[in-house]
Amino acid sequence: RKEVEQDPGPFNVPEGATVAFNCTYSNSASQSFFWYRQDCRKEPKLLMSVYSSGNEDGRFTAQLNRASQYISLLIRDSKLSDSATYLCVVRPFSGGYNKLIFGAGTRLAVHP
Amino acid sequence: NAGVTQTPKFQVLKTGQSMTLQCAQDMNHNSMYWYRQDPGMGLRLIYYSASEGTTDKGEVPNGYNVSRLNKREFSLRLESAAPSQTSVYFCASSPLGPDNQPQHFGDGTRLSIL
Repeated sequence: RKEVEQDPGPFNVPEGATVAFNCTYSNSASQSFFWYRQDCRKEPKLLMSVYSSGNEDGRFTAQLNRASQYISLLIRDSKLSDSATYLCVVRPFSGGYNKLIFGAGTRLAVHP
Repeated sequence: NAGVTQTPKFQVLKTGQSMTLQCAQDMNHNSMYWYRQDPGMGLRLIYYSASEGTTDKGEVPNGYNVSRLNKREFSLRLESAAPSQTSVYFCASSPLGPDNQPQHFGDGTRLSIL
């Protein structure tokens, strides 16, 4: 079983739609969680951290469910510019070096 | 405002050739990382350097070596390139500190081994 699993998609949605991605992780002791965005043939860039109480940044909402070991990302009012691959990222333990485990990504395509 | 800079951006090698991928960061970060990214797979850690003077193996270190030249620079060397090492290579850096520190990535090196 992969340490971080995501539905690869693609999710094809019209502009203005609401879309949600889920991600599951295997290590129950995982400490920190992130969503990164990766555009085609570009480097990953941090979209947002995910906090235990859930957090929102504009049209983006991230949720963490520790009991079920999954993380979600909700995008409201999708824009063409949201088309990208979204990477679920988990830090499996605290202290020491900043080891991150990356999911393979979920591809989102927003069309007019 | 360069962040993490990788060179070269593209490279084609023949099997058995050697080369070094360069990475430098100007954010005064302690930790640096080398990843590879292959289709359908997440980024996989090759080597990392938690701080200047230290290096450690990641998930897929075979066929690679690294050097943490100073706090800014962290290079990745392929001694005898193999077709299985065809990939996109990303360097990243992060500060030490609270656990929720994100990593910052360079824009990648696309490497093809023929």
